[in-house]
Amino acid sequence: DAGVTQSPTHLIKTRGQHVTLRCSPISGHKSVSWYQQVLGQGPQFIFQYYEKEERGRGNFPDRFSARQFPNYSSELNVNALLLGDSALYLCASSLAQQPYEQYFGPGTRLTVT
Amino acid sequence: AQKVTQAQTEISVVEKEDVTLDCVYETRDTTYYLFWYKQPPSGELVFLIRRNSFDEQNEISGRYSWNFQKSTSSFNFTITASQVVDSAVYFCALNLYSSASKIIFGSGTRLSIRP
Repeated sequence: DAGVTQSPTHLIKTRGQHVTLRCSPISGHKSVSWYQQVLGQGPQFIFQYYEKEERGRGNFPDRFSARQFPNYSSELNVNALLLGDSALYLCASSLAQQPYEQYFGPGTRLTVT
Repeated sequence: AQKVTQAQTEISVVEKEDVTLDCVYETRDTTYYLFWYKQPPSGELVFLIRRNSFDEQNEISGRYSWNFQKSTSSFNFTITASQVVDSAVYFCALNLYSSASKIIFGSGTRLSIRP
């Protein structure tokens, strides 16, 4: 079975631009979570979507938004990019809302210049 | 407040040595889950283990073992007879049953195994 997939792999954007990151969960998984990992730090929770509804939100500004589609894939959108948004964005999927076993994708490396 | 502390920023050992990665967590909740993840240079987080707060039994999986002690709020990870392929950043994480979705990660320990 395919694991969690994310696209694109790498992305370079300019301050003030908008970005959309995509994630496809493992087949059968209904929960998708997004994390931001700044270099040298642990991942920080951004959002969780379960059954197409937002079930959790971390301490991120409203510039960050996400949604989950009927096929359980998900998009993370970031508006008005700042230099500090440069990070590895990780998507994780799990069967249930509680992340008993959460499987991570390879991530999208976003660089804001 | 919930928090996970991994005090060891970097550890370097020679191959075949045993190494223990420390993890201390803080929470007032009684129902929670603890995790260990491995992040190799490729960047993808690999799930290693999950433990719930009611199960303090230690676990061994091959060369890996975990020691969970609620009395000291610790969930330490030991690699026996380390190998070069064990080189990675290891994260300890905490999930509260009450907050369902949110996982709180520690800052990670970078483990380097020298041949």
